[in-house]
Amino acid sequence: EPEVTQTPSHQVTQMGQEVILRCVPISNHLYFYWYRQILGQKVEFLVSFYNNEISEKSEIFDDQFSVERPDGSNFTLKIRSTKLEDSAMYFCASGVGERGAEAFFGQGTRLTVV
Amino acid sequence: AQSVTQLDSHVSVSEGTPVLLRCNYSSSYSPSLFWYVQHPNKGLQLLLKYTSAATLVKGINGFEAEFKKSETSFHLTKPSAHMSDAAEYFCVVSDRFQGAQKLVFGQGTRLTINP
Repeated sequence: EPEVTQTPSHQVTQMGQEVILRCVPISNHLYFYWYRQILGQKVEFLVSFYNNEISEKSEIFDDQFSVERPDGSNFTLKIRSTKLEDSAMYFCASGVGERGAEAFFGQGTRLTVV
Repeated sequence: AQSVTQLDSHVSVSEGTPVLLRCNYSSSYSPSLFWYVQHPNKGLQLLLKYTSAATLVKGINGFEAEFKKSETSFHLTKPSAHMSDAAEYFCVVSDRFQGAQKLVFGQGTRLTINP
């Protein structure tokens, strides 16, 4: 069964460093998303991506964040200068159906900023 | 804006007894609603979805949910709990906008199954 895969499963980085979280969506999906879950809090929407551009981004997704689909298969989330409060589980998802309504999630990358 | 409220942060039931996880939604239009499950160290798995067809939706692993517009509810049920059902469950509503759906998550309900 096709699945969304994320790498790495756990990333530890120093504050101020750049990190890139990687995702391989399901191959025939057209909609791509990043969500995050800070420990003990809700899963929050970060950004959606469709037709090679950002469809919507939340207020969390500031200038420190960027997304790319560099080679037609990978979907990456870059955080330019990490802060302690960026520590969270980051989930990638890809979607099908009406405007990508049915989203399939990866297993997540746990980012720890120290 | 759409939102969901999961009424219980933690539910504990005995194996073989019914499961009820409660969810209320707020939406300015007919919503699409989902239940996702997250097992420890695993990703979010779709259990079932409601998208304006039948109000009683059947999902995987024996779970089902009923959309009740009059009560703005979408509670998740299972007749008989199994030990493998222990996990975190999220009620989710879609927020429609041009281009792509956005999912709005509830805060989650941790389901514990007692032997």
